[in-house]
Parts: sequence; structure tokens; C-alpha cells
Amino acid sequence: DTAVSQTPKYLVTQMGNDKSIKCEQNLGHDTMYWYKQDSKKFLKIMFSYNNKELIINETVPNRFSPKSPDKAHLNLHINSLELGDSAVYFCASSRPLRQGGKNIQYFGAGTRLSVL
Amino acid sequence: DAKTTQPTSMDCAEGRAANLPCNHSTISGNEYVYWYRQIHSQGPQYIIHGLKNNETNEMASLIITEDRKSSTLILPHATLRDTAVYYCIVSPGSSNTGKLIFGQGTTLQVKP
Repeated sequence: DTAVSQTPKYLVTQMGNDKSIKCEQNLGHDTMYWYKQDSKKFLKIMFSYNNKELIINETVPNRFSPKSPDKAHLNLHINSLELGDSAVYFCASSRPLRQGGKNIQYFGAGTRLSVL
Repeated sequence: DAKTTQPTSMDCAEGRAANLPCNHSTISGNEYVYWYRQIHSQGPQYIIHGLKNNETNEMASLIITEDRKSSTLILPHATLRDTAVYYCIVSPGSSNTGKLIFGQGTTLQVKP
């Protein structure tokens, strides 16, 4: 079974559309993350949730809104898509650090978003 | 910004040991050294981490210098499947954010 799964794997859409990417983890982790990897291959954290509570919100346009319906899911909704949003988006999860979990994160396979 | 410095790329012959260096001269006392790798078109994968002692697991060994300002990841018998970008990251052992700051990493090419 896949530990961290993202859907869809590929997403091609037009500028101005709204889209969502879903992420689910079956590892029993409390903390989940979204990362963005741009065309230059730099990986940057966008958001982090611990037990459905937002704990990291990097400088990300407010067109991006994460939603955590429960601690096994962290979805990413993007409004008014722009060309610059084209990237690979990775979801990850880890045990909560405050409970002694080291920063070992498990990543999904990524969602390749292309905005035309 | 990443707090580590790594060579941009390295080559290694298949079956030989791959030694990937990392400089983290500004590491603080509560920060661990983590290594992740990203095989082409896949998500990053955790390899190993350490605080000050050398560490070994089924994937690799991590050698940390006594002053903790640098470390080396060792893949003892590199295979073609080890071709990937390897990231050295320093991060607190316990915090409430879990933020990983990825740098450019080292692209390791394992050659037959």
C-alpha cells in the first residue's frame, strides 16, 4: 500500500481555473506538508499542518488554500491558476516533532501541474 | 536559504562506494543532519540522519566530523538505481514546524 498518495498525478488546466490536489497518508502521522518544486528543481515548503492545525504558512499567494478535513488528509486548492503555478507539488507526512518524532518525512509521488 | 553546501554533481562507478560531502559550518547544537534523495520523477526519500555520532542503516552510512561542521554520506556499493539528487539538510531534532529546507543538492550519477 502506498504510504502517501496524491491525486491526480498529472493536471493540465487553463489559466484562471480553480483546481484541487488531494493527499492522503495511511501512516498514522499527525503532521502533513505541501512542497512545490519549480522548473529549476528547487523544493520549497508551502504549508504544514499538525493535527488539522496550520503551523507553517510560507510566503504563498492566498490563491493557495490548504484544507485538512482530518489528520490523514491534506488537500491543496488553488484559485485563479496562473502560468507561474506550473510545477510539481509534493505532499509529505511525518510524526509530530514535539512527541519525539524526528524530522523524517515521507513524500508522495507528486502532482505535475501544467497551466496553459 | 539552505544552511548546507554540497557539490553540484558527482560521478561514481557502479559497485564502488559513493562518498557525498556536505558542509554545514553554521549548524547549531540542537540541529540534526538529514539526508534525503530524489530519484528522477519521484518524491524525495529519507535516507538517514544523525546528531553527532556516526550512523548506519540498510541504505547508507553517515559520518559527521567531531566539530559537526561537515558530514559525508556513504553509499557502500552504489548501483545504477542510486542515481539521484542527494540533499543534505540541517533541521532541529524537535520543533513544532518540521520545516525542511532543501538546497540544490548533489546530482550523483552512477555509471556502469
